[in-house]
Amino acid sequence: DQQVKQNSPSLSVQEGRISILNCDYTNSMFDYFLWYKKYPAEGPTFLISISSIKDKNEDGRFTVFLNKSAKHLSLHIVPSQPGDSAVYFCAAIGPGAGSYQLTFGKGTKLSVIP
Amino acid sequence: NAGVTQTPKFRILKIGQSMTLQCAQDMNHNYMYWYRQDPGMGLKLIYYSVGAGITDKGEVPNGYNVSRSTTEDFPLRLELAAPSQTSVYFCASSYGTGNEQFFGPGTRLTVL
Repeated sequence: DQQVKQNSPSLSVQEGRISILNCDYTNSMFDYFLWYKKYPAEGPTFLISISSIKDKNEDGRFTVFLNKSAKHLSLHIVPSQPGDSAVYFCAAIGPGAGSYQLTFGKGTKLSVIP
Repeated sequence: NAGVTQTPKFRILKIGQSMTLQCAQDMNHNYMYWYRQDPGMGLKLIYYSVGAGITDKGEVPNGYNVSRSTTEDFPLRLELAAPSQTSVYFCASSYGTGNEQFFGPGTRLTVL
């Protein structure tokens, strides 16, 4: 049973436009969410995170939105650049015994077309 | 800082062989983790450690063992390799729980 779902395996966006990557989760105990970016043959690198007590977090061109009632978060990249082309993973972490474990989605491959 | 380093980068094993994947970090992080990523899938936690001498199972621990004798090193041992263990293995570390995890570059393992 997938607790973190990224339903779009891939996304293509024109350079300069907005990229919106979506993530849904089922476990209401998750209280911290992260986005990781992964280039081929490299490990994931942390991009941005959001606590469940917030609904928005912004860092430069990257903004993450959290809708707790819908159990949905999204990553917005504005403006998109060719260097943003990578696989983006949504991950969640919760309190208690499972708090050491990041639960990852399957990833969305973003292609930014020059 | 080298961050999180992993060796080897690639390895091919025959069924039944054993090997150790090495992981080291120089950030003085207490928490370390081993994940595997199968094609088209997200990362799944194999084992984690909250400090030297303390390890615990993650979501998919079967067929693996770990040890943590120092803060810096967290090797992953595969005994009796099986084709189902063909995957990319990532080691990660973090300062604490709920913090971002820093990942190594991965080890691509093929078991034939």
